[in-house]
Amino acid sequence: AQKVTQAQTEISVVEKEDVTLDCVYETRDTTYYLFWYKQPPSGELVFLIRRNSFDEQNEISGRYSWNFQKSTSSFNFTITASQVVDSAVYFCALSEIVNTDKLIFGTGTRLQVFP
Amino acid sequence: DADVTQTPRNRITKTGKRIMLECSQTKGHDRMYWYRQDPGLGLRLIYYSFDVKDINKGEISDGYSVSRQAQAKFSLSLESAIPNQTALYFCATSDRIPGVYNEQFFGPGTRLTVL
Repeated sequence: AQKVTQAQTEISVVEKEDVTLDCVYETRDTTYYLFWYKQPPSGELVFLIRRNSFDEQNEISGRYSWNFQKSTSSFNFTITASQVVDSAVYFCALSEIVNTDKLIFGTGTRLQVFP
Repeated sequence: DADVTQTPRNRITKTGKRIMLECSQTKGHDRMYWYRQDPGLGLRLIYYSFDVKDINKGEISDGYSVSRQAQAKFSLSLESAIPNQTALYFCATSDRIPGVYNEQFFGPGTRLTVL
């Protein structure tokens, strides 16, 4: 069965610190997608990144970077030089193409960045 | 205008009341989904529909029903609301191109409180 685990329930950092949010997934499928979403206090879901299972290249977008490692079934998210505006709940999610494109979400990590 | 809209955005109701949450989309997508978000549990799938005549139960469908009135509209009903249905509800839509991931687009969410 597919599953996404975000073991960190809550993380607190001080502004300008780097922070890594962990995501570990389980799937029997060889073809799948992984995602990160941000949910700010306003409640909407903001799409951050999608990565398919055949692309293990790490990605960097400004202060955000993602480390995908199939060997450890992990898709970790790092924020460099965190800012107060990064405070949010972050969700990792998995989708298996053959399983009707349903998204399986982790339980989320609440990040608080203090000034 | 937003591609995926949800009404109402906030609702407070009493135990035993019937309530309907509505979702509309202008993306022309065939697939629509209803998710529920609870603190510490992430998002969980309630129902999904692949077209007007194809409706399927998700992970937590008990206590809910849905109606796909048209391609663009997918409603979620709570026949007799109970307090543990207090949650944030998200609607999502996606296309249905075979063999590839069809990205889900989320609505802004409906915050439901059952007293």
